[in-house]
Amino acid sequence: GAGVSQSPRYKVAKRGQDVALRCDPISGHVSLFWYQQALGQGPEFLTYFQNEAQLDKSGLPSDRFFAERPEGSVSTLKIQRTQQEDSAVYLCASSYWTGTDFSYEQYFGPGTRLTVT
Amino acid sequence: GDSVTQMEGPVTLSEEACLTINCTYTATGYPSLFWYVQYPGEGLQLLLKATKADDKGSNKGFEATYRKETTSFHLEKGSVQVSDSAVYFCALYRDDKIIFGKGTRLHILP
Repeated sequence: GAGVSQSPRYKVAKRGQDVALRCDPISGHVSLFWYQQALGQGPEFLTYFQNEAQLDKSGLPSDRFFAERPEGSVSTLKIQRTQQEDSAVYLCASSYWTGTDFSYEQYFGPGTRLTVT
Repeated sequence: GDSVTQMEGPVTLSEEACLTINCTYTATGYPSLFWYVQYPGEGLQLLLKATKADDKGSNKGFEATYRKETTSFHLEKGSVQVSDSAVYFCALYRDDKIIFGKGTRLHILP
């Protein structure tokens, strides 16, 4: 079946531009996560949704970062006034309800590589 | 806060060699532990998991044992293949988030 998809796969932005990154989770997956992976580092948590509710945004590095999931499916991560330090791979992941709890297994998309020049 | 520390790479081995990638964690309680793998050009995939102390996770010939005494979860494989070349991430699960180590790049030479 289809996995998590992300678009665009690559994005080059000039410093100061706004960007929008899209994530399509696996159909039926309730939870959706965004992570940021800097070069040579492990992914770091940004934010988390259950359906359309954003339950945790503690990892968003600044108020320039904004995420939404208005219908509980597709999500968009928006970065305003991009800076060079925003250059990274942005990963989206989704997970499902087991019937008694939320699964700890997260399924990752291929990521969007953002380069800010 | 919680954190994961794993050995730095790159690690280069010949095919059929034994592999150990060290991983230790700092956390309150006993979180679930994972190894994720990222093959070239692909997304992160869960390789194996252990949800409680003394559990052994295994998959594709890889194994890791949850050791609470040493707060470790080392990844091992008895005989590596060229197709195992990838980046490996040790991770723990806390409050619906995954906390990752920095990753270890593994190169296997034919």
